[in-house]
Amino acid sequence: QVQLQESGPGLVKPSQTLSLNCTVSDFSISNGAYYWTWVRQHPGKGLEWIGYIHYSGDAFYNPSFKSRATISLDTSKNQISLKLTSVTAADTAVYYCATRSSGDCLDYWGRGTLVTVSS
Amino acid sequence: QSVLTQPPSVSAAPGQKVTISCSGSGSNIGSKDVSWYQQVPGTAPKLLIFENTKRPSGIPDRFSGSKSGTSATLGITGLQTGDEADYFCGVWDISLRVLVFGGGTKLTVL
Repeated sequence: QVQLQESGPGLVKPSQTLSLNCTVSDFSISNGAYYWTWVRQHPGKGLEWIGYIHYSGDAFYNPSFKSRATISLDTSKNQISLKLTSVTAADTAVYYCATRSSGDCLDYWGRGTLVTVSS
Repeated sequence: QSVLTQPPSVSAAPGQKVTISCSGSGSNIGSKDVSWYQQVPGTAPKLLIFENTKRPSGIPDRFSGSKSGTSATLGITGLQTGDEADYFCGVWDISLRVLVFGGGTKLTVL
């Protein structure tokens, strides 16, 4: 079973870059079986897909982020990272990493990490 | 406003059955497989149904999924108080090129 754990600053200032990591355990991100995904959830709201990346380098992003989001893989650390630039209060949310497998389902999820954007 | 439409809330008594609908369009549900997720407050979503009707290992058969045209339905039988949660549908939209989710349905077991 794939285990995922998000980490990163809980507080980011407006206009700065949000940087999160997702450490994967019990599975190699180089395996190629999954697309590694980031999803966020505003407090009390629904889910919003940010994007995903495959070990092959294929990456897909939600156009609503207007190129602010970048997802990358660090195979040496078995981690997936998310960078979101020029953040505003609207980026305050719980950020989850997850695995995407066939049928576009997200089968394994991390516990999520709350990021607050505030000065 | 979500691309997929779900009722904000549903409720039923313990032991009863409930269905949750997810309405979309030809560019999402009409073309691609639907997944369903359960989110107990304060925890991460959990996959309940994938490829419209399939259950991951460990998900009881009280949970079922179906799809017809541009709508999908999650069914839960033998309701338990532990089923109280928010339920989300999700699907790839081929026009938007985005993984989209419904707004979520809060299930209350009375």
